[in-house]
Amino acid sequence: EPEVTQTPSHQVTQMGQEVILRCVPISNHLYFYWYRQILGQKVEFLVSFYNNEISEKSEIFDDQFSVERPDGSNFTLKIRSTKLEDSAMYFCASSWNTEAFFGQGTRLTVV
Amino acid sequence: QKEVEQNSGPLSVPEGAIASLNCTYSDRGSQSFFWYRQYSGKSPELIMSIYSNGDKEDGRFTAQLNKASQYVSLLIRDSQPSDSATYLCAVIISSFQKLVFGTGTRLLVSP
Repeated sequence: EPEVTQTPSHQVTQMGQEVILRCVPISNHLYFYWYRQILGQKVEFLVSFYNNEISEKSEIFDDQFSVERPDGSNFTLKIRSTKLEDSAMYFCASSWNTEAFFGQGTRLTVV
Repeated sequence: QKEVEQNSGPLSVPEGAIASLNCTYSDRGSQSFFWYRQYSGKSPELIMSIYSNGDKEDGRFTAQLNKASQYVSLLIRDSQPSDSATYLCAVIISSFQKLVFGTGTRLLVSP
């Protein structure tokens, strides 16, 4: 069964460093998303991406964040100059139309 | 007003009972509604989608939608201890590419 895959599963980084979280969406899907879940809190929408451009973004998705689909299969989230409060699970999801399927997540720890 | 609201629980039910999970949403124009299950430390897993008023059944799960009341529910029949998880209500808000989650209801099924 096709699935969304994310790498790495766990990333530890120093405050102020840049991190890139990687995702391979399901191959025939058209819409791609990033979500964040701080420990014990709700799943928060960050950004959606369609037709090689951002279609929606939340207030959380500020200039510190960027997304890219560099090669037609990977979908990346870059966080520049990480802060302690960026520590969270980051989930990638993809959909063909409305039903979104999630990857297993990347746990980001900023120290 | 929160976009998607759920009671955080925990909702405790004995094994074999019916668990009833509820959700309200604020965007009257929403057309697509979903229930996800999230085990602790894992990613959200899609279990039901519903788009029209009324009931939709899939095995032990029944989703119910009432757009006039802006209300979505999930019934789990013959609850099992393995159903113990957090159940997330999600709604596509305003545009096609913003799927917003509620805080989730934690369900505990006791043997």
